Amino acid sequence: QVQLQESGPGLVKPSETLSLTCAVSGYSISTGSYWGWIRRPPGKGLEWIGSFYRTGSTSYNPSLKSRVSISVDTSKNQFSLKLTSVTAADTAVYYCARYPDHWGQGTLVTVSP
Amino acid sequence: DIVMTQTPLFLSVTPGQPASISCKSTQSPLHSDGKTYLYWYLQKPGQSPQLLIYEVSSRISGVPDRFSGSGSGTDFTLKISRVEAEDVGLYYCMQGIHPMYTFGQGTKLEIK
Repeated sequence: QVQLQESGPGLVKPSETLSLTCAVSGYSISTGSYWGWIRRPPGKGLEWIGSFYRTGSTSYNPSLKSRVSISVDTSKNQFSLKLTSVTAADTAVYYCARYPDHWGQGTLVTVSP
Repeated sequence: DIVMTQTPLFLSVTPGQPASISCKSTQSPLHSDGKTYLYWYLQKPGQSPQLLIYEVSSRISGVPDRFSGSGSGTDFTLKISRVEAEDVGLYYCMQGIHPMYTFGQGTKLEIK
């Protein structure tokens, strides 16, 4: 059974970098499938952040592309999200997922001084 | 970029009555492999989104058969034949033509 678990700081200061990690169990990232990150700001809908296939072919939401990067560590079977120069608008619940059917429980990240 | 537009954004339904959500895309999520990568999710309060329907009309195992998906091209629909109290939450359509994914704005379903 595929399971995903997000981890990282719940509070980030404005202008700093948001960093989250998604630990995957029950399935090897190297095997295949598309993986990535989605977020849901308070009171708003889901927003796709970015995705990758195995260890290559990464793509990002054009609205975030200049600030976002996703990296993969196959030895630990996990992948990470970095979002730079954050503002209050980046406050959201962040989910990692194996598209389209397995999602983590989500982690709330608040951007505040 | 593909834009997904859901209507309505809010539904208030009496238990036992049907409900329908429309999802229109600016481009067809039809892939060169012949599959249409259109999905429907339900996000219940306090939970992660759960996949209900994949590839337009295929129900995920365990999803009640009162849920059905249909459509083609750029017009898609999720129907609930008889709404139950446990169906409350936010419904999203998503297109998944890699390398881009796009969600609809979400439709909130409440029980009258």
